[in-house]
Amino acid sequence: RKEVEQDPGPFNVPEGATVAFNCTYSNSASQSFFWYRQDCRKEPKLLMSVYSSGNEDGRFTAQLNRASQYISLLIRDSKLSDSATYLCVVINQAGTALIFGKGTTLSVSS
Amino acid sequence: DVKVTQSSRYLVKRTGEKVFLECVQDMDHENMFWYRQDPGLGLRLIYFSYDVKMKEKGDIPEGYSVSREKKERFSLILESASTNQTSMYLCASSPPTGRRVYNEQFFGPGTRLTVL
Repeated sequence: RKEVEQDPGPFNVPEGATVAFNCTYSNSASQSFFWYRQDCRKEPKLLMSVYSSGNEDGRFTAQLNRASQYISLLIRDSKLSDSATYLCVVINQAGTALIFGKGTTLSVSS
Repeated sequence: DVKVTQSSRYLVKRTGEKVFLECVQDMDHENMFWYRQDPGLGLRLIYFSYDVKMKEKGDIPEGYSVSREKKERFSLILESASTNQTSMYLCASSPPTGRRVYNEQFFGPGTRLTVL
């Protein structure tokens, strides 16, 4: 299994839709997980950290499933401005660097 | 706000040239990173540094070297540029946690390097 795997998409959804992305990781000892967002031709920026108990930030909800080694990102009431690539990020085994997934592309249309 | 700046947004070089990519951060971060990003391959770590004059190889260090003479500056060097080094290069920094990474990374705007 690759270290971090994501469905590349693209996910094409209408405004107002709910969309979910999953990401699987191979290192069962990973302790820290993040979702980053990257707009077209821009640098990645942290969207949210993923906590063991799950966490919510407005329309965004992140979940962690350690048993199955995946994390998820749920976006409710999609906006046009949510169109971007979402990167799943896991700490490497040594705890010294981040491992980025290849990203899932979301396109929200009116 | 954390600011990470990179010396150039676009750069065109010829095969065999020595190329310097500069990155500067203004938040006194100890950890700094160089990535390259390619379509279908995502972000891949080239080198990172957790202190001045310290450096560690990432996943794809071949063909690259780095320099960290000052805390705020981390340079990526292509000793002899090749066409397969055409890519988007992204620098990042993160707050001090020693060698371990737990914190958000802040990225620069990237340098799109083309090697002809």
